[in-house]
Amino acid sequence: GIQVEQSPPDLILQEGANSTLRCNFSDSVNNLQWFHQNPWGQLINLFYIPSGTKQNGRLSATTVATERYSLLYISSSQTTDSGVYFCAIRSGNQFYFGTGTSLTVIP
Amino acid sequence: GAVVSQHPSWVICKSGTSVKIECRSLDFQATTMFWYRQFPKQSLMLMATSNEGSKATYEQGVEKDKFLINHASLTLSTLTVTSAHPEDSSFYICSARIGKNIQYFGAGTRLSVL
Repeated sequence: GIQVEQSPPDLILQEGANSTLRCNFSDSVNNLQWFHQNPWGQLINLFYIPSGTKQNGRLSATTVATERYSLLYISSSQTTDSGVYFCAIRSGNQFYFGTGTSLTVIP
Repeated sequence: GAVVSQHPSWVICKSGTSVKIECRSLDFQATTMFWYRQFPKQSLMLMATSNEGSKATYEQGVEKDKFLINHASLTLSTLTVTSAHPEDSSFYICSARIGKNIQYFGAGTRLSVL
């Protein structure tokens, strides 16, 4: 199956700082989603971004499908941004999740 | 966005009993739902794909007699953990797919088997 790796695995930020999370995938794909899993376990859709760039408030994402990676940018981080960020890719009828980046934003 | 309701959110049961977890799409119809298992500090592991009106497709290594999946309607899929044992304790998450590419998740069920 497709390998999906994320980096860094853990990240600690001071409130207000910016960060970039990376998702690398092993095969050509035509779809990718980013999710935020909050401390209570709920997964929240952030972006569906098979290619190009999208922005939503302080978050933006870029996928370069030909080079098999996607980036999630978080600007002016807040404590509520803490949690785990996953990227996921669909291949056939299955979704493959990345290894996750655990983000802690400290006040 | 679309809403997926998962119930219960937390369940504690005795070893040997069965537990049913429900996953409902509240404002859309989902012909396909997914069941995942997540261990602490790990990623989501797909257990099975639930298709409305047909048998579920299980991932390799997942016991279908242990984890019974029923998708009887376009808005409801259930996962039953039969004869639960402590090693079945985990966080179980369902999702429902819209179109081909986008899935929305339930809030998860934390199962503790004593």
